[in-house]
Amino acid sequence: EVRLVESGGLVVQPGGSLRLSCAASGFTFEDHTMHWVRQAPGKGLEWVSLVSWDGSSTYYADSVRGRFTISRDNSKNSLYLQMNSLRSEDTALYYCAKSAINYLDVWGTGTTVTVS
Amino acid sequence: QSALTQPASVSGSPGQSITISCTGTSSDVGGYNYVCWFQQHPGKAPKVIIYDVTDRPSGVSSRFSGSKSGNTASLTISGLQTEDEADYYCSSFRNSSPPSYVFGTGTKVTVL
Repeated sequence: EVRLVESGGLVVQPGGSLRLSCAASGFTFEDHTMHWVRQAPGKGLEWVSLVSWDGSSTYYADSVRGRFTISRDNSKNSLYLQMNSLRSEDTALYYCAKSAINYLDVWGTGTTVTVS
Repeated sequence: QSALTQPASVSGSPGQSITISCTGTSSDVGGYNYVCWFQQHPGKAPKVIIYDVTDRPSGVSSRFSGSKSGNTASLTISGLQTEDEADYYCSSFRNSSPPSYVFGTGTKVTVL
């Protein structure tokens, strides 16, 4: 079974830092681009970042560029999101998602980050 | 990075057909056949129901169909059922500098 499990969400003060993790199983992790997507309470989906299969390419939404860093460890089948200088507007449920070439075909259940 | 534009809500009676629009630009929806649609029930993760504008993943009902004209993509749900009540989001690759991925504003579908 293809599975993604996020962890690391917490309550953190503004200006603080947090590292999210996503454990992947059931597929060849190193073959796929991976994404982080977030959803603020009662709001829509917002794409956050992606990392290529080998980690060589990373892209970010304007709202997080310079504060967040995406990375992966293919030896551990894991995806990460280092979040610095957190703001109240970063409060959201954070999903990791697997890319199937042109779309996100598998999503985790999310981990909640609260900045307050 | 502006979101793709969707109507906030669409409603219909059981058995009817409804269509949700998703308007972007030539840098995203209009420029590539990479539009996909997600269904999200309350408290659940999004689930892809259409990818590459018109294709359905295995297991997704044929009542869901997608299309595109110019900078606007559309999702049609035929034979509306109560379980179709959910939020729907379109998404697309965006050829910006740097490249990005963008979601629509979301549409709440209500089955009357």
